[in-house]
Amino acid sequence: KNQVEQSPQSLIILEGKNCTLQCNYTVSPFSNLRWYKQDTGRGPVSLTIMTFSENTKSNGRYTATLDADTKQSSLHITASQLSDSASYICVVSAFFNTDKLIFGTGTRLQVFP
Amino acid sequence: ETGVTQSPTHLIKTRGQQVTLRCSSQSGHNTVSWYQQALGQGPQFIFQYYREEENGRGNFPPRFSGLQFPNYSSELNVNALELDDSALYLCASSLSESSGNTIYFGEGSWLTVV
Repeated sequence: KNQVEQSPQSLIILEGKNCTLQCNYTVSPFSNLRWYKQDTGRGPVSLTIMTFSENTKSNGRYTATLDADTKQSSLHITASQLSDSASYICVVSAFFNTDKLIFGTGTRLQVFP
Repeated sequence: ETGVTQSPTHLIKTRGQQVTLRCSSQSGHNTVSWYQQALGQGPQFIFQYYREEENGRGNFPPRFSGLQFPNYSSELNVNALELDDSALYLCASSLSESSGNTIYFGEGSWLTVV
C-alpha cells in the first residue's frame, strides 16, 4: 500500500534555531516528492519538488533532501522565523498517477520568540 | 497567491442536504483535483479531472461527484451529507499530468455538517 509517514508529529523550536523534518514513503514506482507548507485553515503552498534523480533542492531557508534508495526525505529549515509556524506536509506521487498525490499527515511546527 | 480560487470559503449544512463547491483553476491549467482534509489529517484524494473527463478517483462513495467545464473550472457536489463530511475541501490545479509540474492549491472551502 502506498503510504507516506512523517516525523515528528509536532515540534516546538525557538526563533532563529534550525530544525529538520523527516518523511518516509513506500510509494512505488516513485515519481516525485514534494514538500508543502500549510498554515492553519489555508491551502497548502508548494516549497520544493524533487524527482528520482535529485538529491537536494533549496528554496530560500528551506532545503529538502531525497534518498530514493532508502525512500526517505528531509526538510531542513534554517534560522527559523515566527512565520514558519505551520504544518509541513510531505507529498509523494507514483508514476502513471503523477497528479494523484499521496499526502503524509504532516509535522506541526511551532516557532516561539 | 496561487491563482486557484475556491468558493464558498465557509458554509454550514444539515445532514441529508446537498452541497456544491466551486473551483476556478489557474489560467491554462487543464487538470484539477479535489481533496478532503479532516481536522488534523492530511488531504485525501477524492477525484481528478483532465480536460473535462474524470481521470481517477479515490476511495469516496458515489454521492461525491464532480464536473469540469470547458474553461477548466470545476465543481464538487456532495449529496446526502453526513456529519463525517465536515472537512476542508481543497481544489488543486496543474498543467497536464507531467511529472514535476507544480500543483497549486486553493485556500479551500470549510464545510460543517450539523
